[in-house]
Amino acid sequence: SAVISQKPSRDICQRGTSLTIQCQVDSQVTMMFWYRQQPGQSLTLIATANQGSEATYESGFVIDKFPISRPNLTFSTLTVSNMSPEDSSIYLCSVSGGSNQPQHFGDGTRLSIL
Amino acid sequence: AQTVTQSQPEMSVQEAETVTLSCTYDTSENNYYLFWYKQPPSRQMILVIRQEAYKQQNATENRFSVNFQKAAKSFSLKISDSQLGDTAMYFCAFMKPYDTDKLIFGTGTRLQVFP
Repeated sequence: SAVISQKPSRDICQRGTSLTIQCQVDSQVTMMFWYRQQPGQSLTLIATANQGSEATYESGFVIDKFPISRPNLTFSTLTVSNMSPEDSSIYLCSVSGGSNQPQHFGDGTRLSIL
Repeated sequence: AQTVTQSQPEMSVQEAETVTLSCTYDTSENNYYLFWYKQPPSRQMILVIRQEAYKQQNATENRFSVNFQKAAKSFSLKISDSQLGDTAMYFCAFMKPYDTDKLIFGTGTRLQVFP
């Protein structure tokens, strides 16, 4: 399966600031996904990022808060904007090798907002 | 909309014993995929096993096997010969094919393996 590198692995940020999380894959993939995992909770899909098109956001998530870039088939970024303590979560990227294939995940970014 | 339910927030098992984690789901689809993922304290999500709904045979991966009951919409995970390294959160997930391949996760079961 693909090797997925996610940076940073963790960060502590001040409220009102923004942080960009990077997700790098060692092979070309069609679909990349961004998830949020709040403390003690399950994973919730933020958006699906396909190369060459706008990201598709799930209900409750908006582009102004979570802008996503997908410049090529091996890389994506998620920005968490104007952060508040409620944004403290683990953010994970995942990739799919194709339709009906399982998703494989990066190690996640643990984000804490003071 | 599809939903995934894991009714066991926590489970424990002694090393070398067998444990079964439960998962039920709700869908009107006939063709779909089901997965079990493991998340150890390191927080990485690791694929444990997958099942295609059109296959009647239960999937097996070494010590991990599933009991897939399509009519009952049940998808339990059996871990045999439990090891300390199996301690983790386990998430059941549903995927409807050709629908952007989105995963819908259950709430998870925390498994503790005791020596």
